[in-house]
Order: sequence, then C-alpha cells, then structure tokens
Amino acid sequence: GDSVTQMEGPVTLSEEAFLTINCTYTATGYPSLFWYVQYPGEGLQLLLKATKADDKGSNKGFEATYRKETTSFHLEKGSVQVSDSAVYFCALSGQAAGNKLTFGGGTRVLVKP
Amino acid sequence: DVKVTQSSRYLVKRTGEKVFLECVQDMDHENMFWYRQDPGLGLRLIYFSYDVKMKEKGDIPEGYSVSREKKERFSLILESASTNQTSMYLCASSLQGGGYTFGSGTRLTVV
Repeated sequence: GDSVTQMEGPVTLSEEAFLTINCTYTATGYPSLFWYVQYPGEGLQLLLKATKADDKGSNKGFEATYRKETTSFHLEKGSVQVSDSAVYFCALSGQAAGNKLTFGGGTRVLVKP
Repeated sequence: DVKVTQSSRYLVKRTGEKVFLECVQDMDHENMFWYRQDPGLGLRLIYFSYDVKMKEKGDIPEGYSVSREKKERFSLILESASTNQTSMYLCASSLQGGGYTFGSGTRLTVV
C-alpha cells in the first residue's frame, strides 16, 4: 500500500537558519504530494502541494519539488523564523475514489530566537 | 473559506460510554475523513466517506463506526469507549483531487 516516510524530529534551529525536512514515498500510479503544518493547539493546514513530477509547490517561503525518480518531496525554507515552529506532515493522495491521504509521522520543528 | 467545525474541543468520557464526535463542513465537499493523531504515530485514518450514506474503513477502524446521513455532517462513534482511544481526533473534508481542510480537533480523554 501507499506509505510516506519523513525524518523524525525534533529539529531545533536558530532563527534565519536553513531548514530541510526529508520526505520519501511509496505509491502506485501518480500520486499528488502535500505538506501540511500544524501550529500548537490547532488543526492541520495545507502548506503546499504538487500534483505531477517536477512540479514545485511553494508558500510562505517554503518550497518542495516532486521528484519522481527519487520518490521524494523534501521541504525547504531558506531562513526560518520563530513563528515557523510547528509540526510538519508530508502526505500523498492516490487516485482512488475518496481522495484518501496517507501521512508521514510528522516532524516537529523548534526555531529558537 | 471552507470551514470544518468539530463540535467539541475537549471531551472527557468514562470507559464503556458511547461517544459521539460530530463534524460539519460548509463547502459541499464530497469527501470527509476521521483521523486520530498520536505522538510518534502521526495521523492514522479511521474511516472516510466519499458520498452520503457511503463509508469506507481506513487503517484503524476497530472500535469505531461512522454515520453520514447528510453531505455536510460526518459523525464518529465510539461504541464503548476504552482508555486506548484517548487521543486527538481530527476531521477533514475535501473535493475529489483537492487538498484537505481540517477541523481544529477534539482531544478525547477516556478515564
């Protein structure tokens, strides 16, 4: 079945540091790929997505590129802020009815001033 | 903006009680989902529905059931709550092929 593997946290960074969170997937066909973010005490919010190979999703300074050859969708941000402290989830959506999302385990990021 | 509303933010129930978690979305989405979120395990799909009165088991359906009598409402039912069902429960909705919109979650404690 479909699966998503992402690096375990927590990841602790200083403000303005470069952030990378690795995500790899296993899926049949051509899934869509997503990054969701969960701020403390809140539900998940869609951060960015890519629906086909070589697509780059971007939002709020975050980027991720759909790499079919390496089955990866790594999240990057060039200069993090304290407000980026959150849990980040990589996910994929297959093409079956119901649009089911499969999530990775989540990576907690803590940015210190 | 699409809104997904979960009826309770925090809930405390006793072992053996029947528990209802309600979720309502206001944007006519076909698909609705219930996940539970546990530390170190990420989000695990309990049940989902892609149409009224339709339901599909997710990865961990045991001990749960669902009801979707109207398109906007998707209820999760714990028939007899147990302590291992203490968790954060997240509801979401989506159009086919679209991203999910999540509710704020219900933190359920079973004592």
